[in-house]
Amino acid sequence: QSGLTQPPSASGTPGQRVTISCSGNSSNIGRNFVYWYQHLPGTAPKLLIYKNNQRPSGVPDRFFGSKSGTSASLAISGLRSEDEADYHCAAWDDTLGGRGLFGGGTKLTVL
Amino acid sequence: QVQLQQWGAGQLKPSETLSLTCGVSGGSFSGYYWSWIRQPPGKGLEWIGEMHHSGSTNYNPSLKSRATISIDTSKNKFSLKLKSVSAADTAVYFCARGKVMGNWFDPWGQGTLVTVSS
Repeated sequence: QSGLTQPPSASGTPGQRVTISCSGNSSNIGRNFVYWYQHLPGTAPKLLIYKNNQRPSGVPDRFFGSKSGTSASLAISGLRSEDEADYHCAAWDDTLGGRGLFGGGTKLTVL
Repeated sequence: QVQLQQWGAGQLKPSETLSLTCGVSGGSFSGYYWSWIRQPPGKGLEWIGEMHHSGSTNYNPSLKSRATISIDTSKNKFSLKLKSVSAADTAVYFCARGKVMGNWFDPWGQGTLVTVSS
């Protein structure tokens, strides 16, 4: 099934700012909120951003979510080694009677 | 603080039924969507479906004919059954609490690797 589109990989050095994109269409990102999850393999994924740009308690303000039209972005500033993880975007999709939809995930490497 | 602990069989043969359970501690079922999500090897996350505490369900259309999610509030758990599995169902399966339909998943269970092989 088709999902949201993310780059498979991203990288940066400590202290840098990295941006991960998430592309959708008018049936998902274009009309619904975007969520971001951080996932270290072998562990439970963690909610990072909800409702496009809101951070849950405990998530550092180095993580910033934004949305414009049918695309969204996750920016991570002041990159740290512990940020190395997979990042997944998600949104509700109104087609086919409605379904939850994820991106393919972006593996972030801190060089 | 709500915690989810999941369990179930990790090895299945084709055509068998996958059965996973997620125990909920530290919180109420009320007002949430109790969800299942999976991640096939090397692929992204895939939403399987959810049951609201009221009893309403939503399923991924691609799995709707085979998946059943149920809640047992008296035992603080919810379950997933996926019938007629094939190798394509091999994945890490996660349970999660959703705050809105199909999203805002927090927290998640630890994940269960289910392998389908003859």
